[in-house]
Amino acid sequence: QQQVKQSPQSLIVQKGGISIINCAYENTAFDYFPWYQQFPGKGPALLIAIRPDVSEKKEGRFTISFNKSAKQFSLHIMDSQPGDSATYFCAASGLRAGNMLTFGGGTRLMVKP
Amino acid sequence: KAGVTQTPRYLIKTRGQQVTLSCSPISGHRSVSWYQQTPGQGLQFLFEYFSETQRNKGNFPGRFSGRQFSNSRSEMNVSTLELGDSALYLCASSLKLMNTEAFFGQGTRLTVV
Repeated sequence: QQQVKQSPQSLIVQKGGISIINCAYENTAFDYFPWYQQFPGKGPALLIAIRPDVSEKKEGRFTISFNKSAKQFSLHIMDSQPGDSATYFCAASGLRAGNMLTFGGGTRLMVKP
Repeated sequence: KAGVTQTPRYLIKTRGQQVTLSCSPISGHRSVSWYQQTPGQGLQFLFEYFSETQRNKGNFPGRFSGRQFSNSRSEMNVSTLELGDSALYLCASSLKLMNTEAFFGQGTRLTVV
């Protein structure tokens, strides 16, 4: 059962534009929501994470927006750069949900120069 | 501070053989988790170890096993390899049990022929 649904599967954005990736979860026991960035041949790298007690978290050009009632969260990449071209994964975990990371299916982002 | 180190980076094995993969977590991290990444199934949780004890196990057959040593280093073993076991195997470490920042290694690319 896929508990975290991620969309879109692929995304093309012009340099300087905003990239938006969305995730929805089912399990209300999730209480930790990280985003990972993965380049080809590399392992996923932690980008930014949020807990449900806040609705937004910003780190540099990366922002997570969190909607607890809708059970949705999203990643916004402002001023997207070609170097941001990678696959992005949302994930969720919770102490009452087995504690492991449950990943979305991934979004392949391409930023065109 | 060194990151998560996985060895070997690449492996080619024949059906029916067994394989052992190794993971050295970030110094001071006591939790190690293993994930399988495939194009079709995405990132799937295998198991988590903390203080040499398996704390959680994903939905994989008993051919997949692991262990953790007193220095937090971990190994996973796959016996009686099948073609479908071909995947990128990723190890993640965190300071405490998962549900906090988890950092991934570069993975071991296993090909079963």
